[in-house]
Amino acid sequence: QKEVEQDPGPLSVPEGAIVSLNCTYSNSAFQYFMWYRQYSRKGPELLMYTYSSGNKEDGRFTAQVDKSSKYISLFIRDSQPSDSATYLCAMSGRGTSYGKLTFGQGTILTVHP
Amino acid sequence: DGGITQSPKYLFRKEGQNVTLSCEQNLNHDAMYWYRQDPGQGLRLIYYSQIVNDFQKGDIAEGYSVSREKKESFPLTVTSAQKNPTAFYLCASSGAGLRGDTQYFGPGTRLTVL
Repeated sequence: QKEVEQDPGPLSVPEGAIVSLNCTYSNSAFQYFMWYRQYSRKGPELLMYTYSSGNKEDGRFTAQVDKSSKYISLFIRDSQPSDSATYLCAMSGRGTSYGKLTFGQGTILTVHP
Repeated sequence: DGGITQSPKYLFRKEGQNVTLSCEQNLNHDAMYWYRQDPGQGLRLIYYSQIVNDFQKGDIAEGYSVSREKKESFPLTVTSAQKNPTAFYLCASSGAGLRGDTQYFGPGTRLTVL
């Protein structure tokens, strides 16, 4: 079983829809959670960073963490065609592995006009 | 303009050849990483380095080698021992302090073995 599971999709939605992207994890040591967005043939870029249970909002994006269920989500409101990309969740824990992240497989999202 | 650069963007290699992928950062980050990305498999860690002259194997180090002689540079060599090297290779770096585990990525190098 992988430490981080992410539905690879693909996910196709109409413009303006609310998108929900999810990851589950099995390692209780994970304390820090990130969402990256990766456009085709580009490097991933950081979207959201959270470290506590609850919600964090940044514009049209909301990151949600539920540590008791080992479940994180990224919501995109009023989705736009420019949101079409692969979304990767990533996690890290406290410890000696400085900055080492564990990634989900990525979800491919297409927002069509 | 701070960031991470990778070169070349595209690389073609014949079977049996070693090739070296370049990664440079001017973010003053201590840690650097190399990942391999294949369709549907996310990012897999090849090697990482937390400090100059020191590096550790990641999950899929076989067939790869690295060096870390300078803080700014972390080149990756794909050797002929790597059985399936065609992939998208990503370099990343991270700093210290708050959010020190956040990694910043370069634009990637696409390697194709002919």
